[in-house]
Amino acid sequence: GAGVSQSPRYKVAKRGQDVALRCDPISGHVSLFWYQQALGQGPEFLTYFQNEAQLDKSGLPSDRFFAERPEGSVSTLKIQRTQQEDSAVYLCASSLARQRLHEQFFGPGTRLTVL
Amino acid sequence: KQEVTQIPAALSVPEGENLVLNCSFTDSAIYNLQWFRQDPGKGLTSLLLIQSSQREQTSGRLNASLDKSSGRSTLYIAASQPGDSATYLCAVGRNYGQNFVFGPGTRLSVLP
Repeated sequence: GAGVSQSPRYKVAKRGQDVALRCDPISGHVSLFWYQQALGQGPEFLTYFQNEAQLDKSGLPSDRFFAERPEGSVSTLKIQRTQQEDSAVYLCASSLARQRLHEQFFGPGTRLTVL
Repeated sequence: KQEVTQIPAALSVPEGENLVLNCSFTDSAIYNLQWFRQDPGKGLTSLLLIQSSQREQTSGRLNASLDKSSGRSTLYIAASQPGDSATYLCAVGRNYGQNFVFGPGTRLSVLP
């Protein structure tokens, strides 16, 4: 079956531009996560949704980062006024269960480069 | 704050060797631990998930162990193959919150 998909796969933005990154989770998966992965490092948690509710956004690095999942399926991560330090791979993961920390399935990521 | 480290950072072995990758975490109050592999330019592929009440999980040539009290997990790969070349990440699920805390990864190269 289809896995987690993300688009675009690559995004180049000029500093100060706004960007929107999309995640399509596995159908029926209740939980959705966003992570940021800098080069040579492990992913770092950004935010978590259970259906349409954003239950944890403690990892968002600044108020320039905003995520939504209005219908409990597709999610969008928006970064306003991008800065060079925002350059990273943004990974989306989904999980079937409401129970805490069920196995997570990851998408291929969006590589964002801010010039 | 939970911190996760992985040793070694990089490893190069000839094909056929058995090898062990190490993961350490500072807070032993974990919910579970998951091992992933990541190929260049790709997302993460789940390998094994160990619940906190378990001591090990096996899948094919892979075996992952968990020792909560010492804050350690190991991933054992038997009879390594060039196709095993990838970055291996361990991720610790905390007792609170929903997300995993990841280590920096071990970059494995298996030479033919």
